[in-house]
Amino acid sequence: GAVVSQHPSRVICKSGTSVKIECRSLDFQATTMFWYRQFPKQSLMLMATSNEGSKATYEQGVEKDKFLINHASLTLSTLTVTSAHPEDSSFYICSARGIGQEASTDTQYFGPGTRLTVL
Amino acid sequence: GIQVEQSPPDLILQEGANSTLRCNFSDSVNNLQWFHQNPWGQLINLFYIPSGTKQNGRLSATTVATERYSLLYISSSQTTDSGVYFCAVEPGGKLIFGQGTELSVKP
Repeated sequence: GAVVSQHPSRVICKSGTSVKIECRSLDFQATTMFWYRQFPKQSLMLMATSNEGSKATYEQGVEKDKFLINHASLTLSTLTVTSAHPEDSSFYICSARGIGQEASTDTQYFGPGTRLTVL
Repeated sequence: GIQVEQSPPDLILQEGANSTLRCNFSDSVNNLQWFHQNPWGQLINLFYIPSGTKQNGRLSATTVATERYSLLYISSSQTTDSGVYFCAVEPGGKLIFGQGTELSVKP
């Protein structure tokens, strides 16, 4: 139980374009969702936290106008990387915490990640 | 902010061997989780263990909250155990990850 999906799993785009990544909780209601990025051989760094129906809270150093986060429902959050540049290439991972038969509110459940490559 | 340190950074084992991974944290926490990131990047929840000991098959974990450390034990390791093991602590609403231990189990 407590499955989180992400789409797409891999995306390659040209510099200057925008890319949207979807994160869905499949069998529970995600009251809070988190977005992380991970560079090769490094740990996960939290980018932002979003609660359903509220504006996201961004970590220090993360540009909110570049990384647009929308948490419009209890099962879906989206991350849009606007005007992507090569330095935005990374592995983006979402997680969710919520309520449901399959989920514990103490635990974050992670999606499989999206590998973004900006040419 | 809170510091999370994991050791060792890298570990190579022969299949069937046992290992202990350590996670030290610098302040009191409400939550501690262990994750396994497989070679494809998926993070798999292993344990939610803010204190005490838990076991799940060949894996077990112990957290001594008063001394600010947690241990992950892997027994009879298998090649499928390869990947990166992260501990993460939650001082207040969000997870702070350690740098991970990269484990490679050789057949």
